[in-house]
Amino acid sequence: ILNVEQSPQSLHVQEGDSTNFTCSFPSSNFYALHWYRWETAKSPEALFVMTLNGDEKKKGRISATLNTKEGYSYLYIKGSQPEDSATYLCASPGDSNYQLIWGAGTKLIIKP
Amino acid sequence: NAGVTQTPKFRVLKTGQSMTLLCAQDMNHEYMYWYRQDPGMGLRLIHYSVGEGTTAKGEVPDGYNVSRLKKQNFLLGLESAAPSQTSVYFCASSYFRGDGQPQHFGDGTRLSIL
Repeated sequence: ILNVEQSPQSLHVQEGDSTNFTCSFPSSNFYALHWYRWETAKSPEALFVMTLNGDEKKKGRISATLNTKEGYSYLYIKGSQPEDSATYLCASPGDSNYQLIWGAGTKLIIKP
Repeated sequence: NAGVTQTPKFRVLKTGQSMTLLCAQDMNHEYMYWYRQDPGMGLRLIHYSVGEGTTAKGEVPDGYNVSRLKKQNFLLGLESAAPSQTSVYFCASSYFRGDGQPQHFGDGTRLSIL
């Protein structure tokens, strides 16, 4: 069974600072890597779906990179703001390709 | 846009009672999923469907049943609720397989079993 792991589990960052965290996944039989943002009391919202090695995607101050050969993806947040406080989930399709295997998430807390 | 709508949003049940959670999507998505989310744990897949009339088991299917009679609806049933089923339930849908299409989530149903 595919194992998707995220680190760190939680992160406290000062407002205005930049930060990044990691998602690791088995590099064999890679299909895609998803990133989601999940605010407290809301539902997960897709940020990026990445499929190509070396792919880099950006949405505002948030960007992500993908290395399928070594099995990791980084999510970067530039100039953190209080509204960035959320849990960030990554996920990758399992062997069946119909379902996503989810990491446990990185909980990001921005300190004003 | 409604997107993915879950009903009800909250429910309290007694052990042994039954209920059905409804998920409706208006995006013409083929794929639909039911997850549960528990404190300290990630999303766990209960059941999923790859099209109208089809269902399949996920990671934690025991104690649940599902039906997909119409493409836009995916129902999750608890036949005899147990306290271990206290959780937040999320429904999601997507156009196609997990390789290139994101999943769209409903707002969740918070279920407590006493």
